[in-house]
Amino acid sequence: ETGVTQTPRHLVMGMTNKKSLKCEQHLGHNAMYWYKQSAKKPLELMFVYSLEERVENNSVPSRFSPECPNSSHLFLHLHTLQPEDSALYLCASSQATGAYEQYFGPGTRLTVT
Amino acid sequence: RKEVEQDPGPFNVPEGATVAFNCTYSNSASQSFFWYRQDCRKEPKLLMSVYSSGNEDGRFTAQLNRASQYISLLIRDSKLSDSATYLCVVLIDSNYQLIWGAGTKLIIKP
Repeated sequence: ETGVTQTPRHLVMGMTNKKSLKCEQHLGHNAMYWYKQSAKKPLELMFVYSLEERVENNSVPSRFSPECPNSSHLFLHLHTLQPEDSALYLCASSQATGAYEQYFGPGTRLTVT
Repeated sequence: RKEVEQDPGPFNVPEGATVAFNCTYSNSASQSFFWYRQDCRKEPKLLMSVYSSGNEDGRFTAQLNRASQYISLLIRDSKLSDSATYLCVVLIDSNYQLIWGAGTKLIIKP
């Protein structure tokens, strides 16, 4: 059971497709995050939002475009991805940026063909 | 050098045994440390914080050694349900970002 939901859970897309990942948190948190998790590698922080304002963008390629319309929703728009972008994409939220306890969604398993 | 380094394992341990694993970090300015747990095909969840004086939560004990820049996790009387990947996490106070280790996989065998 989680207060953070993500859709879709699995996604297969071609390199020319455009798709979006959705995240919703029901915890009343003010900070939301996108992470990329590849096999046997540490979680990579991609984007951080605080009260709908982007506060961190860790040198992520422009083919990943985040959107945070309100403090409960976070999107990751994908276009012209590469096969090496195949990974588990995790959304998380926390009370505020800097709070160490982050609550994660179940993730979207993305495969780029 | 990786910012947070862990032995990937897997550690194969019989049920009931005690197991310990370490994590080293490179940023000496790191102030806060945590262990998260990630079950297979699930999301990470906070297991426990690590305090300078060491702390215990049931069968789990976490220790911090600032001089040597490592933290440890000890699990006593291991259960089958302890099988998971344990992620070492460091909070960099200067930018409030969590830096994650790649995780240590633990398999408890009956």
